[in-house]
Amino acid sequence: DGGITQSPKYLFRKEGQNVTLSCEQNLNHDAMYWYRQDPGQGLRLIYYSQIVNDFQKGDIAEGYSVSREKKESFPLTVTSAQKNPTAFYLCASSIRTGGGYEQFFGPGTRLTVL
Amino acid sequence: AQSVTQLDSHVSVSEGTPVLLRCNYSSSYSPSLFWYVQHPNKGLQLLLKYTSAATLVKGINGFEAEFKKSETSFHLTKPSAHMSDAAEYFCVVIPNQAGTALIFGKGTTLSVSS
Repeated sequence: DGGITQSPKYLFRKEGQNVTLSCEQNLNHDAMYWYRQDPGQGLRLIYYSQIVNDFQKGDIAEGYSVSREKKESFPLTVTSAQKNPTAFYLCASSIRTGGGYEQFFGPGTRLTVL
Repeated sequence: AQSVTQLDSHVSVSEGTPVLLRCNYSSSYSPSLFWYVQHPNKGLQLLLKYTSAATLVKGINGFEAEFKKSETSFHLTKPSAHMSDAAEYFCVVIPNQAGTALIFGKGTTLSVSS
C-alpha cells in the first residue's frame, strides 16, 4: 500500500539531547513537509523540500534541521537548541496533478521532553 | 500574500442538526483547497478537496464544501451532525504556484451534543 510512514509514534527525550524523527513515503511525491502542532495553534510549517538535496525553512525552523538525500525520505532532527520541543509532529507530501495539488499526511509522532 | 482564516475556533451543535464550518482564503493564484479532519491524537484525514473542477465538492462522511471565488470562501457543511463528527477541522490552501508550501488555518473544534 502506498502512503507515508512516521516513526516512532511516541518519542521521549531528555533535555539537551538531539532526536531524529523519521518520515518515509512510497508515493513518488516530489514535495515533502514537516509541521508542528500545538494545542490551539493549528499546524505550523517547520521545513519543506520540493526536490532532492534542496529544502527551505518554514515559519518556525529555529532549533530544527532536515535533510533530503533521497526522494522518499525527509528526516527531521530536533536539536537541543529548540526551546520547547514537546509537540505533535506531522510529515506530509504532495504532488502536482493536472487539476492542482494532491497531498497526504503521515500519522504523526508525539515528542515529549522529560 | 497567501493566507487562510477559519472564522470560528469552536463550533457546538446538537446531533442531527446542520454543521457549518467557515473558511476564507487569500491567494494571488488559483488555489487548491482542502478540508482535513483530525480526531484526538491522530493524523489528518482528508475530507474533501477542490482543484479547479466542480465548485461544489462532496467528500467523505456526508460532508461537502462550496468554492466561491467571489467571496474567497470554502465553507464546510453537513446536513446532519453525528456524534462521531466531533473533532478538529482544518482548512488548507495550496496556492498553485511551484515551490509553495501548504497554508493551514488554525483549526475549528467541532463539538456535538446528544
